[in-house]
Amino acid sequence: ETGVTQTPRHLVMGMTNKKSLKCEQHLGHNAMYWYKQSAKKPLELMFVYSLEERVENNSVPSRFSPECPNSSHLFLHLHTLQPEDSALYLCASSIIPQSNEQFFGPGTRLTVL
Amino acid sequence: QKEVEQNSGPLSVPEGAIASLNCTYSDRGSQSFFWYRQYSGKSPELIMFIYSNGDKEDGRFTAQLNKASQYVSLLIRDSQPSDSATYLCAVYGGSQGNLIFGKGTKLSVKP
Repeated sequence: ETGVTQTPRHLVMGMTNKKSLKCEQHLGHNAMYWYKQSAKKPLELMFVYSLEERVENNSVPSRFSPECPNSSHLFLHLHTLQPEDSALYLCASSIIPQSNEQFFGPGTRLTVL
Repeated sequence: QKEVEQNSGPLSVPEGAIASLNCTYSDRGSQSFFWYRQYSGKSPELIMFIYSNGDKEDGRFTAQLNKASQYVSLLIRDSQPSDSATYLCAVYGGSQGNLIFGKGTKLSVKP
């Protein structure tokens, strides 16, 4: 596969569940990002990783926990989520951190019941 | 809070017409400006970027930047039904070292 891939594409979970979102980039990039996209709201940056080190955390609740084991993989661990966390979660990557050109994965559509 | 403003639309244009999408931003120190296209149910796709005042053309797309007015626009010539999508304006630089996105403008091109 090429580009940025995300799994699962759709996820339905209860508020007491624990799940993880996975992102993989095949572009040789050094920076990876998690964004949240809710209806009628702008894309919100959640986390930025540069060379597997977190460089940005935009006041995201602790029920979202990122993990970056290497420069090609990024995870978002979810636990005790709220219904308002239902959204499209997008992963992106770029050659260097905070690069102008970010390439997005297809997203995970998350529904919290 | 630095903001990027777009008219949410929908903007409806007939096939073959010019579609004009507008965006304003609040951070005067912003350096780079981007247009992403997002089809329904899909992820954003970068289609244009511009760094300097003036126009930048790429095929049917023209990005226009006016830093004094803090205004960036995207023109789509000879609009096609396949151009129907939500167009996201994004701004980089200034006091925040991240891409800041607008809410997007939904464009509908009618055959």
